[in-house]
Formats: sequence, C-alpha cells, structure tokens
Amino acid sequence: AQKITQTQPGMFVQEKEAVTLDCTYDTSDQSYGLFWYKQPSSGEMIFLIYQGSYDEQNATEGRYSLNFQKARKSANLVISASQLGDSAMYFCAMREEYNQGGKLIFGQGTELSVKP
Amino acid sequence: NAGVTQTPKFRILKIGQSMTLQCTQDMNHNYMYWYRQDPGMGLKLIYYSVGAGITDKGEVPNGYNVSRSTTEDFPLRLELAAPSQTSVYFCASSWPSTGAGNQPQHFGDGTRLSIL
Repeated sequence: AQKITQTQPGMFVQEKEAVTLDCTYDTSDQSYGLFWYKQPSSGEMIFLIYQGSYDEQNATEGRYSLNFQKARKSANLVISASQLGDSAMYFCAMREEYNQGGKLIFGQGTELSVKP
Repeated sequence: NAGVTQTPKFRILKIGQSMTLQCTQDMNHNYMYWYRQDPGMGLKLIYYSVGAGITDKGEVPNGYNVSRSTTEDFPLRLELAAPSQTSVYFCASSWPSTGAGNQPQHFGDGTRLSIL
C-alpha cells in the first residue's frame, strides 16, 4: 500500500490566488513527521514546511501553510497568493518513528503551474 | 554556506562501466542518504548512514554500494552500470531525528546520470 499519496499529478492556479495540494498518508505510528519539498525545474529539492504528529496547530511558513487533519490522515499544503516562481513539483514526505535512520518516504509529487 | 555538495552534476556512462558519485556535507550531520528519482516520480531511498562506519540498505539498493569513512563524505558506487540506473541521484543529510522530530533533510543539487 502507498504510504504517501498525492492524487493530483498536475494543478493549475492563477497568479495571486491560493492553491491546495493534497497529501494523504498511511501509518500506524503515533509519532511521525510530515514534510513538504519544492522541486523547481532546475532540479534542487527545497524544504518548505514541517508538521509533527503531536502538533496541535497547523504549521505555517510565510505563504505556506499545512492543513493537518490527523483523523483523516491528510496533510495538505496551502500556498497563498501564488507567484509565477511557485511553478514547480511539490513532494509530500513522511518520517515514521519505527523507521530507523530518520528515513523519508516520498509521494509521487504534484506539478503546479501558475498562470499569469 | 556550501551545505550538501554533489559531484559530478552530469555524467554519461556506457553499459558495464563503473563510477562513484561523490557527496560531501559541511553541516556535521550524522545522518546521510542517497536517493534516486526517475522521471515523473518521487524519490526512492538507495542507502543511508547514521554515522561514520555505519551504512544500511534502503528501498532500492541493488547495483549500488556505499561507504562512510568520515562524517562529511558519503560516496555512492555504481558497479556494472545498466540502463535501468539512468536517473537523477540526490544525496541528503540531516541531524539525527526519528518520528515527529522536526529535522528536515537537506539535499544536494543532484547528479543527472545517463547509461547508454
């Protein structure tokens, strides 16, 4: 079974609008962390935001926020006021407690295109 | 502030050749990782290390070898290159963290490898 599922292969958003990128996860651990990374066309992996399973509040980092719904096992990334530079691949990843070595499990990604 | 440095950035190999992908980090991180990213896909873990002298297999280790003689360096060796190993390879590092720990992995810029 997929541990991390990103159901949107591609998304379009108009510049200055908000967009939500979906991520659902599957784990039986109580302690886990969820991460979002951005991969622009240049190829590097940029860490955006983190949410811990014990965090009661949704994480925020500038224009990025994470809509964390623990019971539904979802950790959707919200980008507010989209900019042309937000066009990229976005990956959701999870680290589980039992998974030694701090390994991350990645979803297949969502390609976001921002239209002017 | 170099972070994680990978060399080379690009390489073309012939089937059956061998090569070593270099990775070094200057953040004194204990944990290091090698991933591969096939076109349109997420990252898959090849090998990881939790400290000098300690390495372990990830999800897709076949055809690769690693060593970790120092905290800084984590080279990945391809023996008898095959077309199936055509991919983009990422090295990453992090502070020790498990489960809900908030330490992200920091990535190098990747090595684009083609096996012809």
